[in-house]
Amino acid sequence: GAGVSQSPSNKVTEKGKDVELRCDPISGHTALYWYRQSLGQGLEFLIYFQGNSAPDKSGLPSDRFSAERTGGSVSTLTIQRTQQEDSAVYLCASGGASLNTEAFFGQGTRLTVV
Amino acid sequence: GENVEQHPSTLSVQEGDSAVIKCTYSDSASNYFPWYKQELGKRPQLIIDIRSNVGEKKDQRIAVTLNKTAKHFSLHITETQPEDSAVYFCAKSGDDKIIFGKGTRLHILP
Repeated sequence: GAGVSQSPSNKVTEKGKDVELRCDPISGHTALYWYRQSLGQGLEFLIYFQGNSAPDKSGLPSDRFSAERTGGSVSTLTIQRTQQEDSAVYLCASGGASLNTEAFFGQGTRLTVV
Repeated sequence: GENVEQHPSTLSVQEGDSAVIKCTYSDSASNYFPWYKQELGKRPQLIIDIRSNVGEKKDQRIAVTLNKTAKHFSLHITETQPEDSAVYFCAKSGDDKIIFGKGTRLHILP
């Protein structure tokens, strides 16, 4: 596809379970971001990948959150031992090789922890 | 120096009037300033951007101005219409990742 693809679109999980969220960026994009957006709130930065550089993990809220980017393409955000406060929309965005270019967002994964 | 401050957080304007959203930053490395619009239930999408070598850019009813000396930039929407109702995010980037403002919820009143 031409755009950023995220899966699943919706995920309901029980408190304490682990979840994995997937992001397929636009082909050739070297920059990849994960954001969290609670209802009616702004974009909370989680993690940033740029090419082969070490990821910027400064936004991860706790050690229950981790992310990987395999082969410089697909990324997976993992949340361990989910809590109710983790409920939110998780957005992925990718951008081109140049730092100062548009970031394209996926449609997001709506995570509900019950 | 990493953050970008965005004001106001909420803005209500009468249909047909203009809306202005302002953002400020403090670092010297930022040279790219995009604006994103997020409609209810949808993903953020770029509506206009400006680079540091220009002071103003227009696209139909939308314009962005940049004052690099004062380190602030603004989004101007003229002749507002109901479909302009959304959350608007300013952002900046330079030699590192994009940093977003906290957003402005724009309401267009009938």
